[in-house]
Order: sequence, then C-alpha cells, then structure tokens
Amino acid sequence: DVKVTQSSRYLVKRTGEKVFLECVQDMDHENMFWYRQDPGLGLRLIYFSYDVKMKEKGDIPEGYSVSREKKERFSLILESASTNQTSMYLCASIIGRGNTEAFFGQGTRLTVV
Amino acid sequence: GEDVEQSLFLSVREGDSSVINCTYTDSSSTYLYWYKQEPGAGLQLLTYIFSNMDMKQDQRLTVLLNKKDKHLSLRIADTQTGDSAIYFCAERMDSSYKLIFGSGTRLLVRP
Repeated sequence: DVKVTQSSRYLVKRTGEKVFLECVQDMDHENMFWYRQDPGLGLRLIYFSYDVKMKEKGDIPEGYSVSREKKERFSLILESASTNQTSMYLCASIIGRGNTEAFFGQGTRLTVV
Repeated sequence: GEDVEQSLFLSVREGDSSVINCTYTDSSSTYLYWYKQEPGAGLQLLTYIFSNMDMKQDQRLTVLLNKKDKHLSLRIADTQTGDSAIYFCAERMDSSYKLIFGSGTRLLVRP
C-alpha cells in the first residue's frame, strides 16, 4: 500500500518560531510537492522538488523554504512563523514518468499564535 | 495564465445524481483530474481524463470534457451519504508535474 506520511497532524507554534514540516514517501517517487489549503482558495503550490537537492518555487513561496536531502523526504520550513501561515499543509508525491496519480499525505493543520 | 474555477457548494438528496462543474483557462492542459477529500484526510484521486477525450465513465462516475469551452464536469450517479466530501478539479500540462487545483466544491448529500 502506497504511503505519504506527514510527521504531525496538528501543530501549534508561536509567532517567530522556526517550524519544520516533514513528509516521507515510500514509493521511490521523484517528484514531491508542498501545498497549503485554505477555505475558498483550494490548494496552492508552495514549492516542489523533482529530484534530490533540486527545488522550484511554486505560486506562493514567500516565507517558506524547503529541503530535499534524500529522495524519500521533503521538508517544508517556515523560517519565522507568522499568523497568516496558519493553514492546512498537504504533501504530495508523483512518480517521474507518464500520467500517474498524485498521492497525498493526511495533512498537517498548523496554527500560529 | 493558469486558473481553475469551481463553485463552492452543492447539496443533493441521497439517490439523486450530482454534477460538479469546473472551468479552466489553460488550453495546453493535457490531463484533467478529479480528487476527493473526506473530512480530516488528504486528497484521493477519483478519476482523470486526457485532453483528447470527451467522456470517461467509471462505475458511478462520469467525466465530461468540453475543450472548446474549457469546461469539465463530474457526474456522480445514485449519490450516497458517503459521497459527502470536497471535490477538487485539477489540471496538468504534459511538460510539467505541477498540478493546478480549483478551490474545491463541498458536496453535501442529504438523507
């Protein structure tokens, strides 16, 4: 059974804290993504990675960075958390060939107070 | 530019058909997807259609694609309470693995 696992379901952090959201996939997929989901806005792409140590900005990268040191792990970093980063964060992975399904993690609901 | 639009809410009675609509703007989209998100869960792929197809049927699901109007629809026959969820339309170009999502349509199925 394929799996994308996000390290936390719920997180509460203080403004200004550095926050790490971790995502691990066990499918040997090349491509991994971080989205944030907000009501009425759907899913917006923050960053994606198409290979180890490779990354590209998505539509809303400001205030975020990412790290992909190993193929199976893609980390989203909030350098200095702010209240407008309170959201649901979803990680996804896709194999690097052809049209295949994107597999999603269960999501991390982050609240910044 | 890339933009995918959906209505935010749909309510139907159990046993009726549901039709969820989506419009997209990028004519170079190669693949179009429907994802389902149940409460507290991530997204699951329901079905997809290639841009060179007009229709795809998969059990209770029928996807219709009108390329001229850039309109995609998902019809769920005999809608059940377990179909209550948020449904996302998404597009992708062949040259990219980036998925562009709509805002999601919340489907409520009333008993």
